[in-house]
Amino acid sequence: AQSVTQLDSQVPVFEEAPVELRCNYSSSVSVYLFWYVQYPNQGLQLLLKYLSGSTLVKGINGFEAEFNKSQTSFHLRKPSVHISDTAEYFCAVSRGPSSNTGKLIFGQGTTLQVKP
Amino acid sequence: DGGITQSPKYLFRKEGQNVTLSCEQNLNHDAMYWYRQDPGQGLRLIYYSQIVNDFQKGDIAEGYSVSREKKESFPLTVTSAQKNPTAFYLCASSIQGLAYSSYNEQFFGPGTRLTVL
Repeated sequence: AQSVTQLDSQVPVFEEAPVELRCNYSSSVSVYLFWYVQYPNQGLQLLLKYLSGSTLVKGINGFEAEFNKSQTSFHLRKPSVHISDTAEYFCAVSRGPSSNTGKLIFGQGTTLQVKP
Repeated sequence: DGGITQSPKYLFRKEGQNVTLSCEQNLNHDAMYWYRQDPGQGLRLIYYSQIVNDFQKGDIAEGYSVSREKKESFPLTVTSAQKNPTAFYLCASSIQGLAYSSYNEQFFGPGTRLTVL
């Protein structure tokens, strides 16, 4: 079975500073990896996904993530954050092409708090 | 514009009452999902449906029921048997169901916040 751990429940950062939100997963098979963003009292929006190929994935709003198979990590980064990036971020995993199921397993979420 | 709508946005219920949350999509997606979100616990899958007139239990189905009579609609009923129903409920959909594709991007609705008084 797969599991996802987001290592920080809250990450405070000043505006225009860089940020990294950490995500580790466990799985005995290959996986697909996702980052979603949730603004207050809204649904989830896909930021980026890793399916295969280049381990550096670029998403919307200037975010990127790097898949590291040896460390089973998929950390999310942004070089310069804005106040509008304040939100909750979820890492999720599904089994990869070796499986016939696409069920998503979500991490507990990380709240990014951008301060002026 | 295509998307997923959930209604109502806020819902209050007295203990012992059943309540139904609406979820409608016009994306022509085959699969639909219901998640429950609690602070610090991420999203947990309640029920999912891969096709009309078929649905399966997720990880926390006890105290909930669903129906899928139309492709675009997947209502969730929170019954009185659900011990802790106060939560944020999210509906999602994807093009294909879990058993047909190993990759499904799920699209989410805006959510319904249920509070039991």
